[in-house]
Amino acid sequence: GENVEQHPSTLSVQEGDSAVIKCTYSDSASNYFPWYKQELGKRPQLIIDIRSNVGEKKDQRIAVTLNKTAKHFSLHITETQPEDSAVYFCAASKGSKGGATNKLIFGTGTLLAVQP
Amino acid sequence: DAGITQSPRHKVTETGTPVTLRCHQTENHRYMYWYRQDPGHGLRLIHYSYGVKDTDKGEVSDGYSVSRSKTEDFLLTLESATSSQTSVYFCAISEGRGLASGNTIYFGEGSWLTVV
Repeated sequence: GENVEQHPSTLSVQEGDSAVIKCTYSDSASNYFPWYKQELGKRPQLIIDIRSNVGEKKDQRIAVTLNKTAKHFSLHITETQPEDSAVYFCAASKGSKGGATNKLIFGTGTLLAVQP
Repeated sequence: DAGITQSPRHKVTETGTPVTLRCHQTENHRYMYWYRQDPGHGLRLIHYSYGVKDTDKGEVSDGYSVSRSKTEDFLLTLESATSSQTSVYFCAISEGRGLASGNTIYFGEGSWLTVV
């Protein structure tokens, strides 16, 4: 089955700096890669996702890149702010056209601390 | 936020007792999932459902059973709770309409279960 590895497990940056979190996946059939942000005591919330037919996607200060050949994808946060502090999870799935398999397999998470 | 309600939100139970967690959605989404979250393991899929009475196992299904008799409700049962099942349980939903859209998975607020 799919296995997703995520690094680093903790990341501390100064406010205004960039942060990068990296994930690798094992199943070459995976085609959907979302990133979730989870604040302490709250639910995971989707912040950005990418599908296997594109290599990069941006949304304001966050971007995700995908390298299908190497089977890895990364989250980039620029101009970090204290409110970016949270746990970030990557995930992978191989949802089919009919939605027959729609299971997300998650990485183990990265605790991002943005120091003011 | 997606219309997902989990109950109970917090529960303390004794080893060996049965426990049922309920997930209720108002979005009429096809897919429903149960995940557990533990430190160092991220989010792990327990069971999921792709329609009424259609369920399948996830990564960590041992000791758990599920039922879905209505589109809006997905129940997770621990037949005989053990201390290793102390965790935060998240219900999630998705439309499941395939790759072009509907793969987004939305999480409920979580249920904190302690088995003593």
